[in-house]
Amino acid sequence: GIQVEQSPPDLILQEGANSTLRCNFSDSVNNLQWFHQNPWGQLINLFYIPSGTKQNGRLSATTVATERYSLLYISSSQTTDSGVYFCAARPDRGSTLGRLYFGRGTQLTVWP
Amino acid sequence: DAGVIQSPRHEVTEMGQEVTLRCKPISGHNSLFWYRQTMMRGLELLIYFNNNVPIDDSGMPEDRFSAKMPNASFSTLKIQPSEPRDSAVYFCASTQTRKSTNEKLFFGSGTQLSVL
Repeated sequence: GIQVEQSPPDLILQEGANSTLRCNFSDSVNNLQWFHQNPWGQLINLFYIPSGTKQNGRLSATTVATERYSLLYISSSQTTDSGVYFCAARPDRGSTLGRLYFGRGTQLTVWP
Repeated sequence: DAGVIQSPRHEVTEMGQEVTLRCKPISGHNSLFWYRQTMMRGLELLIYFNNNVPIDDSGMPEDRFSAKMPNASFSTLKIQPSEPRDSAVYFCASTQTRKSTNEKLFFGSGTQLSVL
């Protein structure tokens, strides 16, 4: 398989602050995604980003595939950003078949 | 699109009973995944299908668990007999697996299973 490690495990912010979440993976990947699990348990896909940079509103993500890491940036955080952020990666075995391996997540709490 | 649809949302059963969880993937998606989430083990992949064929079932805990995908729009995960340690949230997810496409994985709302 592949090891997917996320940091920090927990993050507490004041509303309006910026944050960076990191995801390291142990092998080359052809699929890298970020998810947000809200306090009600719903898992929402934020980004499909095997390489490069993408932005969606206050969120952006960058994957540096050659260095085996991805970053999720949250700017001007809001209380609704609270929840767990997961990174998931699929090792590159020359195929689109293959499972995604999930990290343990970063628990983000944003206080008003 | 309605998204990935799972039923039931909650299931409470007694040890030894059969439990069947259901999933309807997003129309047009060709890969379907069953995950289990617990505090101790996080998100675990149980099994995944591509074009209705099981590709990787290495995560299925034991013979008590079985999964089927009789057609592209329906899958079931069955636990028989159920045990208290099976209590967890079970998620179904689907994606379009094909080169040069955006392979975003979409999750259903999950089934909260409690085995007493």
